[in-house]
Amino acid sequence: DAKTTQPTSMDCAEGRAANLPCNHSTISGNEYVYWYRQIHSQGPQYIIHGLKNNETNEMASLIITEDRKSSTLILPHATLRDTAVYYCIVRATGTASKLTFGTGTRLQVTL
Amino acid sequence: GAVVSQHPSWVICKSGTSVKIECRSLDFQATTMFWYRQFPKQSLMLMATSNEGSKATYEQGVEKDKFLINHASLTLSTLTVTSAHPEDSSFYICSASWGANYNQPQHFGDGTRLSIL
Repeated sequence: DAKTTQPTSMDCAEGRAANLPCNHSTISGNEYVYWYRQIHSQGPQYIIHGLKNNETNEMASLIITEDRKSSTLILPHATLRDTAVYYCIVRATGTASKLTFGTGTRLQVTL
Repeated sequence: GAVVSQHPSWVICKSGTSVKIECRSLDFQATTMFWYRQFPKQSLMLMATSNEGSKATYEQGVEKDKFLINHASLTLSTLTVTSAHPEDSSFYICSASWGANYNQPQHFGDGTRLSIL
């Protein structure tokens, strides 16, 4: 699976949009971009995934560049409960394929 | 949404005992389940992948005789840490997905914190 690079940490004011970048320059054609987050002492929570088109759900939006070498997760109105470690993961197609977790971005939402 | 339940959420036991952790998919049939381990301030590390009715596939460096995985049904997988020692103390997390080839995300349980005295 392709490797991803994320900033170690980011801050965001409550109510503002949080934009979390991810680089995955070695991504291959059949690999999806997944985003999960982990709130302290809990299991990871699935947020969103996409292949090449931008995606939006009730939690977030995922913007993937045309060359697919990077993406951005957008939380449109961050709240204190969004404070967590966010993981960007590239995963091959197929439910049996692995998720390889990197170090992620620690997002701190402040008042 | 898909729900994965883990039990117990916390366990403390003496060195040398065996501990069993259960992972259940509550509202879907999980064809594949995964077991991860997370040490403090570190990321999740995949231990093994299990498919219902077949032997688990372990990651390099994970002792299959120490970490026994059973996936006997489409809704239940168990991880048994045999003869546990203090260095096995960690946060163990399972995940599950369904379908054969469709690209479904993995859904995670809330983890089991294991402390070996």
